[in-house]
Amino acid sequence: ETGVTQTPRHLVMGMTNKKSLKCEQHLGHNAMYWYKQSAKKPLELMFVYSLEERVENNSVPSRFSPECPNSSHLFLHLHTLQPEDSALYLCASSRDRTGGKQYFGPGTRLTVT
Amino acid sequence: EDQVTQSPEALRLQEGESSSLNCSYTVSGLRGLFWYRQDPGKGPEFLFTLYSAGEEKEKERLKATLTKKESFLHITAPKPEDSATYLCAVQAGGSARQLTFGSGTQLTVLP
Repeated sequence: ETGVTQTPRHLVMGMTNKKSLKCEQHLGHNAMYWYKQSAKKPLELMFVYSLEERVENNSVPSRFSPECPNSSHLFLHLHTLQPEDSALYLCASSRDRTGGKQYFGPGTRLTVT
Repeated sequence: EDQVTQSPEALRLQEGESSSLNCSYTVSGLRGLFWYRQDPGKGPEFLFTLYSAGEEKEKERLKATLTKKESFLHITAPKPEDSATYLCAVQAGGSARQLTFGSGTQLTVLP
């Protein structure tokens, strides 16, 4: 596979569930990102990892927990979510953390019931 | 605080009807302005980077221009396959080089 892949593509979870989103990039990039996209709102940057080290955490609630085991994989662990967390979660990568040219995955559509 | 405002929110054009999308921004020290295209059910796809006022970039029917306060995405003789949401983002200089996105313009081109 090429580019950035995300699984699952769709996820429905209850407020008490625990689930994880997975992202994999096949581009040899050193930076990876999690964004949240809600209807009619700008993309919100959640986390930035550079060379497996978290370098940005934009005041994201602790019910979202990122993990970057290596430069190709990124996870977002979810627990005790709220209905307002329902959104499209996008993963992206770039050559390095200064790169504005980012490559996005197709996203995971999350619905919290 | 960096801000990006895109207008209009939505635009419907007939095939072949040229128009422009606007991206107004305020940023402390522009490092780059980026245009992305997003199709339904997909992630954004990079289109252009502009670095300084007066710069222009072209790709097929699209041309992006940049001034000190705004950027335009001109669409010449659009086709239905140009229908998508177009996102603008700015990147400031300094250590925190995050992208700040606008809310996008949803373009529909009717056959």
